[in-house]
Amino acid sequence: GAVVSQHPSRVICKSGTSVKIECRSLDFQATTMFWYRQFPKQSLMLMATSNEGSKATYEQGVEKDKFLINHASLTLSTLTVTSAHPEDSSFYICSARDGGLQETQYFGPGTRLLVL
Amino acid sequence: AQSVSQHNHHVILSEAASLELGCNYSYGGTVNLFWYVQYPGQHLQLLLKYFSGDPLVKGIKGFEAEFIKSKFSFNLRKPSVQWSDTAEYFCAVSRGSQGNLIFGKGTKLSVKP
Repeated sequence: GAVVSQHPSRVICKSGTSVKIECRSLDFQATTMFWYRQFPKQSLMLMATSNEGSKATYEQGVEKDKFLINHASLTLSTLTVTSAHPEDSSFYICSARDGGLQETQYFGPGTRLLVL
Repeated sequence: AQSVSQHNHHVILSEAASLELGCNYSYGGTVNLFWYVQYPGQHLQLLLKYFSGDPLVKGIKGFEAEFIKSKFSFNLRKPSVQWSDTAEYFCAVSRGSQGNLIFGKGTKLSVKP
């Protein structure tokens, strides 16, 4: 199946700093990528939908100025957590939609963010 | 509110036992249905999906799921589980080809050797 990578896999940062997470589709072009947040023992919560060449669509309650999303190419989307706080510590997962006849989302391995 | 419900939070089975994980959704109209699996320390992987056609869908690793429209259900089944099936299983629904995925809360499956 299609492969999606994320980098870094784990990051620890100080409160107030910004962290950038990259999501790449390795063997297909993804016009749409998604960013999720997963809390312990809970399901994935969609944060935003990222469309190549246009502004991201954020879900209700997600601060667009705090979680900056850029989808500059058909294979790369980035999520920047600005001025991170300890409550932003979480597992962030991206997915990419293959855009084929039966569109399916393929998920990256996730990025564990710990804000001290 | 529109939602996806997975009734079992944690299921514990012995090897060779049969498995059925429940999934119900509350959307009307056309839906696409998915089961994803997350093995310990690994990312979400697609097990199987239903878009149209035969409501009994076969996926990887011997899993299958049946779409019952009248019951708004898409239960996952496997006749004989293995220890390596220990993982968390997520049901997800999207509406139309451009719809976003809505996930259930997941069911943790523990298979005892």
